[in-house]
Amino acid sequence: DAGITQSPRHKVTETGTPVTLRCHQTENHRYMYWYRQDPGHGLRLIHYSYGVKDTDKGEVSDGYSVSRSKTEDFLLTLESATSSQTSVYFCAISGSGLAGERGYNEQFFGPGTRLTVL
Amino acid sequence: QKEVEQNSGPLSVPEGAIASLNCTYSDRGSQSFFWYRQYSGKSPELIMFIYSNGDKEDGRFTAQLNKASQYVSLLIRDSQPSDSATYLCAVTNSGGSNYKLTFGKGTLLTVNP
Repeated sequence: DAGITQSPRHKVTETGTPVTLRCHQTENHRYMYWYRQDPGHGLRLIHYSYGVKDTDKGEVSDGYSVSRSKTEDFLLTLESATSSQTSVYFCAISGSGLAGERGYNEQFFGPGTRLTVL
Repeated sequence: QKEVEQNSGPLSVPEGAIASLNCTYSDRGSQSFFWYRQYSGKSPELIMFIYSNGDKEDGRFTAQLNKASQYVSLLIRDSQPSDSATYLCAVTNSGGSNYKLTFGKGTLLTVNP
């Protein structure tokens, strides 16, 4: 499972509230990604990180911010949640970790967080 | 906008048959190609990757790449009911060095016992 955990695994919140999702990895991978997956749209990249404090936007970044203050944690924040942000959120990693054998293009996914915004 | 297209399915095959999943992509500069399997309610799992034109085999799976036609496929031989899942095609974006993938919407495969 590439040592990736996501928390929480499920969350129900109300419109307008802030929400932070956490992705934690234990294998020192350089790259980390946040995706959302919705029926009819597939997996879409929200933000990604290519190192500590180095982040960039993906294709659906509006309404989301991220932070990476240490290698192992990548946080996704919804500043003011909206119903359109109801989705399943996946974190992924790539780049040689402790095992050293994975390529930088090969992404491995965490278990996901199901977020419902009422 | 870089696009990856897959037939949404469902693709239904009998147990023991060959399942053929197809994917086309728009970014001619894409260099790396991936197939993920996703069971319902679970996260995507990387099952194959291919970087060069031709075929790559791993057990019952064969990935085929034709960069000139911008086409990549996945063959599953001796299909099993446990292969029933959604299969996602993903390709790297050309240019830059930040290792981003663009995913297709997936093809639902059902293997009937």
